[in-house]
Amino acid sequence: GDQVEQSPSALSLHEGTSSALRCNFTTTTRSVQWFRQNSRGSLINLFYLASGTKENGRLKSAFDSKELYSTLHIRDAQLEDSGTYFCAAEATNTGKLTFGDGTVLTVKP
Amino acid sequence: GPKVLQIPSHQIIDMGQMVTLNCDPVSNHLYFYWYKQILGQQMEFLVNFYNGKVMEKSKLFKDQFSVERPDGSYFTLKIQPTALEDSAVYFCASSPTGGAGQDTQYFGPGTRLLVL
Repeated sequence: GDQVEQSPSALSLHEGTSSALRCNFTTTTRSVQWFRQNSRGSLINLFYLASGTKENGRLKSAFDSKELYSTLHIRDAQLEDSGTYFCAAEATNTGKLTFGDGTVLTVKP
Repeated sequence: GPKVLQIPSHQIIDMGQMVTLNCDPVSNHLYFYWYKQILGQQMEFLVNFYNGKVMEKSKLFKDQFSVERPDGSYFTLKIQPTALEDSAVYFCASSPTGGAGQDTQYFGPGTRLLVL
């Protein structure tokens, strides 16, 4: 969306390599969530951040509310990491999420 | 993790008919949401709902759309009448609290609606 600029739009990684996704926000953002959408269309919660960084296994996310951006780092990519990754920003105080356009990640052997 | 259920998973209807999409949110959650996604593209907010009332709705939430959660049962999205452009996947979400940067929204698996 206009308020959330997600990059890259597509990413291809070989197994075992690492990379990062990024979302820039154009308005004040209270929190950010990261999701992976699998081939069946289900949205899997990865992270919720109101500030700082979180890590879960090979994934790590950071949110800088002052500089208006968030990142998702994928370390040692595996085939099962393939999917579409979305960031979503909460800018208002009503819980409404504004989603980025997504990053299609393909992990190859 | 917490599970949000949606019924049905797929629905095919003729244009002009009414359709009701059902969502069973996480049991202790108080805030409920509907989002719309067309062809695996961008997810767009439709509406959020708390304490029996719509808190905020987007321009996509047309007059033909309505939401309710009677007596703590399913949280529903009703479209009456449907139009061709309503074909999409509709996702329900819920959170324990809403807004103020405090809480994670959990999403259901979606209902794939096809209007013919």
